[in-house]
Amino acid sequence: GAGVSQSPSNKVTEKGKDVELRCDPISGHTALYWYRQSLGQGLEFLIYFQGNSAPDKSGLPSDRFSAERTGGSVSTLTIQRTQQEDSAVYLCASSEVPGNQPQHFGDGTRLSIL
Amino acid sequence: QKEVEQNSGPLSVPEGAIASLNCTYSDRGSQSFFWYRQYSGKSPELIMFIYSNGDKEDGRFTAQLNKASQYVSLLIRDSQPSDSATYLCAVSQNAGGTSYGKLTFGQGTILTVHP
Repeated sequence: GAGVSQSPSNKVTEKGKDVELRCDPISGHTALYWYRQSLGQGLEFLIYFQGNSAPDKSGLPSDRFSAERTGGSVSTLTIQRTQQEDSAVYLCASSEVPGNQPQHFGDGTRLSIL
Repeated sequence: QKEVEQNSGPLSVPEGAIASLNCTYSDRGSQSFFWYRQYSGKSPELIMFIYSNGDKEDGRFTAQLNKASQYVSLLIRDSQPSDSATYLCAVSQNAGGTSYGKLTFGQGTILTVHP
C-alpha cells in the first residue's frame, strides 16, 4: 500500500478483555515500530522490529503486552487482560531500513477501555 | 531532566509571520532529528529531518541543528492558518552504540496561526 495501514481505527472494549491491533507497514520497509500516545505521557516507544525479530522490547509497559511480526510485513500488538490505563492511541511506524531513517506513521488505533 | 524538551506553548503568531519552535536534547550521541506535525485527532506527519549541523531548508520550513549546544529548531516562514497544529520534536538515539531508530519525542508545542 501507499502508506502504513492500521486496524481497527477505533476499539472499545471492557476491562479484562484481550485486544489485537494490526499494522501493515509500507511495502518494502524492513523496520517497524510501535508507539503509544496518551494525554499524560506523550508519545512513547513500545517495541521495534527488524524483519520478524524484535531486538528491543524495552518500551512494553508490562508482560500483558506482546507483539509479533510475520513475513517481514504485518505486525500484531496484543494486550491481554486490558486495564483502563491501557487506553491510548497506538501508533505504528515503518522505515525503509533500521537506523536513522525517517519513520512514517499510520493513522493509529484509538483504544478505549471501559 | 527530560530527554527531549520543547519550548512550552502554546505559541501564537499572526498569519505571514515566522514561527520559531525549539527543542533541546540530553543525549550527546543522538544522530538524527525529526520534526513531525500533528493535527488534532490525526497521526504525526513527518515534515523535516536533519542529520548534520547547520540549516536545512524545504519550502517554507527550515530546520536548524547545533549538536554542540544540543539544540534543534524549526522555523516556519510565512505562517498560514493551516500550519496550526502540534509540532513534535523527535530524536533518534544510540542504544549501546547501535542506532536502530528508536525515537524519543518531546511533549510537543501547540502552534496557532491567527488571520
